[in-house]
Amino acid sequence: GAVVSQHPSWVICKSGTSVKIECRSLDFQATTMFWYRQFPKQSLMLMATSNEGSKATYEQGVEKDKFLINHASLTLSTLTVTSAHPEDSSFYICSANPGLNYGYTFGSGTRLTVV
Amino acid sequence: DQQVKQNSPSLSVQEGRISILNCDYTNSMFDYFLWYKKYPAEGPTFLISISSIKDKNEDGRFTVFLNKSAKHLSLHIVPSQPGDSAVYFCAALIQGAQKLVFGQGTRLTINP
Repeated sequence: GAVVSQHPSWVICKSGTSVKIECRSLDFQATTMFWYRQFPKQSLMLMATSNEGSKATYEQGVEKDKFLINHASLTLSTLTVTSAHPEDSSFYICSANPGLNYGYTFGSGTRLTVV
Repeated sequence: DQQVKQNSPSLSVQEGRISILNCDYTNSMFDYFLWYKKYPAEGPTFLISISSIKDKNEDGRFTVFLNKSAKHLSLHIVPSQPGDSAVYFCAALIQGAQKLVFGQGTRLTINP
């Protein structure tokens, strides 16, 4: 089946530092990947759409300069949270669509804690 | 603007009985709907989907019903098992646009 691998699964960082999260499609190519954020007991909110070889498309209210997205290959997208602050602490999840019959496949998520 | 709504934050069902999870949507342009199951600190797992040209799709213990006129879909799980305890999200998209819009989720608890 289609697998999306996300790394790291959790990270603790100091306020003001940057954190990179990787999302890989293991057995399929993904020209498009999606980054979500989930606050406790809330829905998954789409942050941005990552496009291979071009700029990401950000949802309204998401700061492009804070959440840097790079999609350098057909199997890898990265999300960098720059100058992280405690309010950036959240659960970040990536996804890709290997073909609609599979449904969108999600990574296992990354729990970011900024202290 | 919550385009996909799951109005029940939680549901408790006895093992062996039927679990019915509901979802409403407001955007009539949505033409594909999906249900996901999610455990804490994990990514959602795809369960079942339905196209807007159908009103029912069945896969084992899971059946999704779609009522387009009411803009309502439901997920039926029968018989419910303890391992079904999780948070269930419904999601919708406009095919071609690719962007999934999620409901708030319903926490299902199956009691032995």
